[in-house]
Amino acid sequence: AQSVTQLGSHVSVSEGALVLLRCNYSSSVPPYLFWYVQYPNQGLQLLLKYTSAATLVKGINGFEAEFKKSETSFHLTKPSAHMSDAAEYFCAVSEAGYSTLTFGKGTMLLVSP
Amino acid sequence: NAGVTQTPKFQVLKTGQSMTLQCAQDMNHEYMSWYRQDPGMGLRLIHYSVGAGITDQGEVPNGYNVSRSTTEDFPLRLLSAAPSQTSVYFCASSSGVGMGNQPQHFGDGTRLSIL
Repeated sequence: AQSVTQLGSHVSVSEGALVLLRCNYSSSVPPYLFWYVQYPNQGLQLLLKYTSAATLVKGINGFEAEFKKSETSFHLTKPSAHMSDAAEYFCAVSEAGYSTLTFGKGTMLLVSP
Repeated sequence: NAGVTQTPKFQVLKTGQSMTLQCAQDMNHEYMSWYRQDPGMGLRLIHYSVGAGITDQGEVPNGYNVSRSTTEDFPLRLLSAAPSQTSVYFCASSSGVGMGNQPQHFGDGTRLSIL
């Protein structure tokens, strides 16, 4: 069975600082991995996805993530945080042959001026 | 292009009442799903469908019922509401059933309170 662990329910950074949100997955087959962002009172919006092409994936709003098979990780980064990045971020995994997604519990990113 | 539309956006029910949460998508997606979101729990899959007439249970199906008579619509029914069903409910859809690599498109959610 597939699973996702997001380390840290809350991460605080200063504006302009590096953003690092951690995601580790468990899957019995090569996974497909996704990062979604949720702004207050809204639905989830896709940030980026890994589908077995390049291991470094670039997404919207300056975010990127690197798939590391040896570490079973898919951490999300952004070089310089902006106030507008404050939101909740979810990592999710699926597998070939299936359409269902398994989500992590989410990480709330707080950005201070 | 509206994407995934959920109605209502807010609802308050009394314990024991029934109701239907509506979900419609205009992207001709085969796959549709319902999640509930609770604080600190992430999103948990309730039910999903891989096409009209085909539904299956997810992680937390108890107390919920679904059917899929058309490609566009995937309503979620609460048969007898309980306070434990107080949550935010999201509907999502995607193309490429069984491929796993297609992102899901989410509605804006229905915020449901059971008193």
